[in-house]
Amino acid sequence: AQSVTQLDSQVPVFEEAPVELRCNYSSSVSVYLFWYVQYPNQGLQLLLKYLSGSTLVKGINGFEAEFNKSQTSFHLRKPSVHISDTAEYFCAVSDPEGAQKLVFGQGTRLTINP
Amino acid sequence: DTGVSQDPRHKITKRGQNVTFRCDPISEHNRLYWYRQTLGQGPEFLTYFQNEAQLEKSRLLSDRFSAERPKGSFSTLEIQRTEQGDSAMYLCASSFSGNNSPLHFGNGTRLTVT
Repeated sequence: AQSVTQLDSQVPVFEEAPVELRCNYSSSVSVYLFWYVQYPNQGLQLLLKYLSGSTLVKGINGFEAEFNKSQTSFHLRKPSVHISDTAEYFCAVSDPEGAQKLVFGQGTRLTINP
Repeated sequence: DTGVSQDPRHKITKRGQNVTFRCDPISEHNRLYWYRQTLGQGPEFLTYFQNEAQLEKSRLLSDRFSAERPKGSFSTLEIQRTEQGDSAMYLCASSFSGNNSPLHFGNGTRLTVT
């Protein structure tokens, strides 16, 4: 079975500051890894994904994440945040051998203060 | 590309009533997924279809829940004899059939059972 732990339920930061949202996963098989963003009263939008290859993955809106197999982590980073980045962020895993049944973490609420 | 469309956006119902939600996927996508998201949690997988075939159902999908995708296009999710614990956001997603194909989510249907 797979599981995802997002270590911070809330992260407040000031505008233009850097941010890191932490994600650890557990799986007995290789995984695909994803970060999604959810704005209020909306569905989820894919920020970035790791399937294979380079462990540093760049996504939309200036976000990037690094896959660390030994640490079983996939932390999301952005060097300078904007007010518009205020949202809920979800880390997710799936089994490459199965259909895309994503297993999500509990989410991290990112709040940007002016 | 009109994206994944869900109807209604909000539904308030009394305990014991039946409700039905509709999802229209991206037209080229042959996989369709249903997820449930309760307040403060990440989405949880419920079921998925490849074309008209329902290939997997989660243990979360009790016998009061039924999903259909009769012509391999839109899908419906019905909940019979609703309970207060069914209150949640119900998310639909679609994708191509490759296991590395990203999911595209709709904006969800928020169900409130009073």
